[in-house]
Amino acid sequence: AQSVTQLGSHVSVSEGALVLLRCNYSSSVPPYLFWYVQYPNQGLQLLLKYTSAATLVKGINGFEAEFKKSETSFHLTKPSAHMSDAAEYFCAVGPPYGNTGKLIFGQGTTLQVKP
Amino acid sequence: GAVVSQHPSWVICKSGTSVKIECRSLDFQATTMFWYRQFPKQSLMLMATSNEGSKATYEQGVEKDKFLINHASLTLSTLTVTSAHPEDSSFYICSARDLYAGVTGELFFGEGSRLTVL
Repeated sequence: AQSVTQLGSHVSVSEGALVLLRCNYSSSVPPYLFWYVQYPNQGLQLLLKYTSAATLVKGINGFEAEFKKSETSFHLTKPSAHMSDAAEYFCAVGPPYGNTGKLIFGQGTTLQVKP
Repeated sequence: GAVVSQHPSWVICKSGTSVKIECRSLDFQATTMFWYRQFPKQSLMLMATSNEGSKATYEQGVEKDKFLINHASLTLSTLTVTSAHPEDSSFYICSARDLYAGVTGELFFGEGSRLTVL
C-alpha cells in the first residue's frame, strides 16, 4: 500500500523567500514520486517527478525536490518565491511498475506569497 | 506538450438528471484514463480507471451504477453522473498518459469539470 502525507495545509512566504513544502510517503515498494501544482478551477500541472534515477530532481519554474529514502521524504523547494507561485501543491506517489498511472495524492498545501 | 481536454468546464443541472463529462487526449493515444473527484479545498480522490475497450475499474466506495464510465476509443473517455443529486456536486478531473510514453511518462490532466447539482 502507498500513502502520502503533506505537512502543513497552508504555507505563507514573502516574495523572494525560500519555499519549502513538505511531503512524506509510505510505500511497500520503491516509489515513484511527483509534485503537481493546481491553480484555481484548473487541472494539475506536473512540476517534477522522481522515478528512481537521480535523487535530486529539478523541475519547472525553478522548483526542485530531493528524494530521501532514509527519511521517506520528497520535499519541494524553490530558492526565491514569486507571486505567481501562489497555488495549491500536491505531492503524489505511484507504483514503480506497470503502466497503470495510478497515483495517490496528498492532502495538498496552499502556498501564499506575500508581497 | 500533450493536452487533455475536458468538456464541459462548468455544468449546472437539476437534481435527478444525468450529466456526461468528456475527457479527450488531443494529440496522443491513451489506453488508460483516470477519473478523479475533488471537493473544495481537498485533495484528488481517484474514482476509477478507465480502460479502452473494456470495463472501468472502480475504487472502493465508488458506485459504478452512479458514475458510468465509457472508454470507447484511444482518445476519449466519458463519465456520466446518473440521477445526480446535490451531494454529487464536485470538481471532476481526468488524466491520461501517452500510450507510448512508458511507465515513467508524464500523466497529463484535464482542466477539470465543475458540476453543480441544484
